[in-house]
Amino acid sequence: DVKVTQSSRYLVKRTGEKVFLECVQDMDHENMFWYRQDPGLGLRLIYFSYDVKMKEKGDIPEGYSVSREKKERFSLILESASTNQTSMYLCASSPVLGANVRGYTFGSGTRLTVV
Amino acid sequence: GENVEQHPSTLSVQEGDSAVIKCTYSDSASNYFPWYKQELGKRPQLIIDIRSNVGEKKDQRIAVTLNKTAKHFSLHITETQPEDSAVYFCASPGGTGNQFYFGTGTSLTVIP
Repeated sequence: DVKVTQSSRYLVKRTGEKVFLECVQDMDHENMFWYRQDPGLGLRLIYFSYDVKMKEKGDIPEGYSVSREKKERFSLILESASTNQTSMYLCASSPVLGANVRGYTFGSGTRLTVV
Repeated sequence: GENVEQHPSTLSVQEGDSAVIKCTYSDSASNYFPWYKQELGKRPQLIIDIRSNVGEKKDQRIAVTLNKTAKHFSLHITETQPEDSAVYFCASPGGTGNQFYFGTGTSLTVIP
């Protein structure tokens, strides 16, 4: 089974801190994604990456940045954490979508609380 | 990007009854539609999917139907059981086709 591992299950950070959320996948997938999940809003795409050192903005990139220095690792960075960034963050990976690919594999999520 | 709308946001059914969740999408070029189930405190997991060259797909008690003309697709769960209680998300590809846009989720409760 594909494994997508997020480094922390729960995090509590202070307003203004720089926060790193790490995600590692072990199946050589080209694509990696960061979503945040909020009640009533579903999953919203923050950033994604098609390849090493490549990144694309999703629908809600403000206040976030990403890094993909190695194919298996995709990091989400909150430059200066704010309380409105309190959320569940989900990482996902997939091969290049095509006829034989079935969606994403998700990590277990990181519940971030900014106080 | 793609716009995916999902209804209802909450759904309660008696055990043994059927449940139907509906999604609409905006991008007529979309050609693959997965459904994910997220149990409380767990990651979303793919439960069924459909490609645009078929109109229906079944896997035991779950089925998905697709109407490309109307740009909507639905998840059907028959003979519901308490373990079907979860949040269900539909999705549709958008943009360059390598990312998914998700519906806002349906919280299904199956009452024993």
